[in-house]
Amino acid sequence: QAGLTQPPSVSQGLRQTATLTCTGNSNNVGYEGAAWLQQHQGHPPKTLSCRDNNRPSGISERFSASRSGNTAFLTITGLQPEDEAVYYCSAWDSSLSGWVFGGGTKLTVL
Amino acid sequence: EVQLVESGGGLVQPGGSLRLSCAASGFTFIDYWMSWVRQAPGKALEWVATINKDGNQKYYVDSVKGRFTFSRDNAKNSLFLQMDSLRADDTAVYYCVSLVAGFWGQGTLVTVSS
Repeated sequence: QAGLTQPPSVSQGLRQTATLTCTGNSNNVGYEGAAWLQQHQGHPPKTLSCRDNNRPSGISERFSASRSGNTAFLTITGLQPEDEAVYYCSAWDSSLSGWVFGGGTKLTVL
Repeated sequence: EVQLVESGGGLVQPGGSLRLSCAASGFTFIDYWMSWVRQAPGKALEWVATINKDGNQKYYVDSVKGRFTFSRDNAKNSLFLQMDSLRADDTAVYYCVSLVAGFWGQGTLVTVSS
């Protein structure tokens, strides 16, 4: 089943801003938006933003999500070393009747 | 505090079966659609199956259709994934998840190998 498209890697400097992208189509990202997940090596994923772009309790305001058409964005401000992780997006696909994930973006903080 | 605790993983031979369980607490379980998501070693996340609130609508990724069965017991706040005819490419950590609410369990490892 087709997935969402994410760049494999992004690098940005300490205390800078990184913007990650997630591209789908009108049946998934463009339909109900995308959620964003953060995963550190050896740990389960953690939800940073739900499909409505709201942050779950306890998630830093440095993480903000948005959407334009069929592309979702995760912006991380004031990058910290602990932000180094793999970031995934996910969305419900109305044509597949299932969830689709992106391949993940590995964020490196320089 | 929301908790999703998976159990039932382990080593199984190709063609064998396993039954995963997930115990939920800290939220109103019956209000949420629930899912299983897996992650093969070194690979990306992959959606496996979703079940609606009542348990009468189920959706599966094509690769597990006819082999996996997803069920829930709302009286016991529990989910179950019956996995039959297991193959080597089913080897992964399996997570119990509410993808809409953003709740994730710690995962349970399933290894299919002879």
